[in-house]
Amino acid sequence: EAQVTQNPRYLITVTGKKLTVTCSQNMNHEYMSWYRQDPGLGLRQIYYSMNVEVTDKGDVPEGYKVSRKEKRNFPLILESPSPNQTSLYFCASGRIAGPGLEQYFGPGTRLTVT
Amino acid sequence: LAKTTQPISMDSYEGQEVNITCSHNNIATNDYITWYQQFPSQGPRFIIQGYKTKVTNEVASLFIPADRKSSTLSLPRVSLSDTAVYYCLVGEDNQGGKLIFGQGTELSVKP
Repeated sequence: EAQVTQNPRYLITVTGKKLTVTCSQNMNHEYMSWYRQDPGLGLRQIYYSMNVEVTDKGDVPEGYKVSRKEKRNFPLILESPSPNQTSLYFCASGRIAGPGLEQYFGPGTRLTVT
Repeated sequence: LAKTTQPISMDSYEGQEVNITCSHNNIATNDYITWYQQFPSQGPRFIIQGYKTKVTNEVASLFIPADRKSSTLSLPRVSLSDTAVYYCLVGEDNQGGKLIFGQGTELSVKP
């Protein structure tokens, strides 16, 4: 089954403790991206990657790192999480379909930083 | 990137056609328009995408006028399961790149 998987789905951590949220896709997509979703602020892009070893900042990259060493994986790293990074995180992969990008989203990771 | 503006919420009844309009006055020549649907606590799901005129698939139609400053997502004969948030997105590069979601329209379908 074609899908984007994220792990963990739920995470509660403390301020300053480094964490990684993994994202993997099995559709051989070149494009991958991370978003965070907060009430009243909608979906905001954190980082995106257009291919292996190619990453770029989205709208809200501060406090996050990513890497794209393999096509299927795009982990999101929080080196020193803070409470304002408490959010619902979505990973997506995408393919060009018609005039533009068609994205497929993972199920989300709910992160709480205390 | 072109900013998008959508109504915050809409109400409808089962069986009706629903049209959600998105305004994107600053759309550039090569930009394309995409719509996503999101249910609570789930990731958005791609609905439809277009560049100009009209596009139709098995779930929706997308109407884009000649000036491309707006677009309308049309959902025929909605059901309760169409209750969701609908996002309009303008993409500036057909290879992907930076993307900005608008605030979305919360559609409520009533029996």
